Amino acid sequence: DGGITQSPKYLFRKEGQNVTLSCEQNLNHDAMYWYRQDPGQGLRLIYYSQIVNDFQKGDIAEGYSVSREKKESFPLTVTSAQKNPTAFYLCASSIKGSYNSPLHFGNGTRLTVT
Amino acid sequence: ELKVEQNPLFLSMQEGKNYTIYCNYSTTSDRLYWYRQDPGKSLESLFVLLSNGAVKQEGRLMASLDTKARLSTLHITAAVHDLSATYFCAVDPSSYSGGGADGLTFGKGTHLIIQP
Repeated sequence: DGGITQSPKYLFRKEGQNVTLSCEQNLNHDAMYWYRQDPGQGLRLIYYSQIVNDFQKGDIAEGYSVSREKKESFPLTVTSAQKNPTAFYLCASSIKGSYNSPLHFGNGTRLTVT
Repeated sequence: ELKVEQNPLFLSMQEGKNYTIYCNYSTTSDRLYWYRQDPGKSLESLFVLLSNGAVKQEGRLMASLDTKARLSTLHITAAVHDLSATYFCAVDPSSYSGGGADGLTFGKGTHLIIQP
């Protein structure tokens, strides 16, 4: 079955360490996204990519970095510069240029930094 | 900056009752999405509304879009416990491409509890 796989499901890190969250999709979607979810805050866009080797900052990109070397993969690195990294991170994808295509979400990674 | 506001943010209701969740947004858009999220889970797409006056129905849920008023509603009819979840609306601010190519802007979500 096609879908989006995020790993790991839970991740624990010490403050000051960089950590990379994995996101892989086999839907053949062009566009991929990273969102952060905090309790009571809804989802906020971190980075997105509409094509391989290109990506754009979202609303809260500071302290994060991404790469898009393959169409299927869009890893997110949470750097030590991110002041409040503990959150639920959701990866999504969509068909670029499809007027009625919703975002398809992965199951998320819950990151805890202590 | 696009703002998306949902109300109420919390709603506790009894089974069998009807209720409506409201989603207001601040800039012109004719693409609006509704999602459902169960606790600790990901988001599931419910409805895609693509034009003024669009109405979609699935079971006990019905969504509508009024682009002139910048308002979407999610109506619940004869609620059942299985509909307990958090519901998000999301707006596509881009004027081209569709499919949220530049990312969607989400409301804060409505946490719905349906009690027997």
